[in-house]
Amino acid sequence: SQQGEEDPQALSIQEGENATMNCSYKTSINNLQWYRQNSGRGLVHLILIRSNEREKHSGRLRVTLDTSKKSSSLLITASRAADTASYFCATDTYTGANSKLTFGKGITLSVRP
Amino acid sequence: GAVVSQHPSRVICKSGTSVKIECRSLDFQATTMFWYRQFPKQSLMLMATSNEGSKATYEQGVEKDKFLINHASLTLSTLTVTSAHPEDSSFYICSARDDRGGRANQPQHFGDGTRLSIL
Repeated sequence: SQQGEEDPQALSIQEGENATMNCSYKTSINNLQWYRQNSGRGLVHLILIRSNEREKHSGRLRVTLDTSKKSSSLLITASRAADTASYFCATDTYTGANSKLTFGKGITLSVRP
Repeated sequence: GAVVSQHPSRVICKSGTSVKIECRSLDFQATTMFWYRQFPKQSLMLMATSNEGSKATYEQGVEKDKFLINHASLTLSTLTVTSAHPEDSSFYICSARDDRGGRANQPQHFGDGTRLSIL
């Protein structure tokens, strides 16, 4: 079943602008991760934020996590045309002996040159 | 670091054929590997989780006799789609994670996927 739900479903911005993507989820999590997928390719791990963290930075990426609201946001600053891709949030939860990721439906980001 | 190689990248074959897809972690030990299926413009659906040396755990609704998973070493897992039919056509993606020492909060590292087309 779907755990993460991203918002918006699609986003089109001009190069240089910031892109903000949101994710909401339903159950308790170990951590939340954001991934990028270019068309027809596998996923690239962008950033992981643990359930006891509130904000994390990595280069032009900034992720926030609000466990009380069960939501996260991904901010890409100073976007580039190369940032054009689908972005997925994924929640990591324990199931018995393993933990597994449940992915949202994804956000399609288009950055216009 | 953390490179996962998936092979082949594309397969086109006739109905009834069995197809094997390999997933290798090149520079780390993958104690846990995952197999996903993705339909066009949709999310990834987890099919099964495999731990090195033990049987895979399949998600509800995934036929274990149809999708055979082997994780014989810390660097290799295989998915065999047995007697494939057109409805099995999809994009299959593997991922690997290093959970050694009980480390939690580790990311998954993904292969580039296999586009399977059954005629």
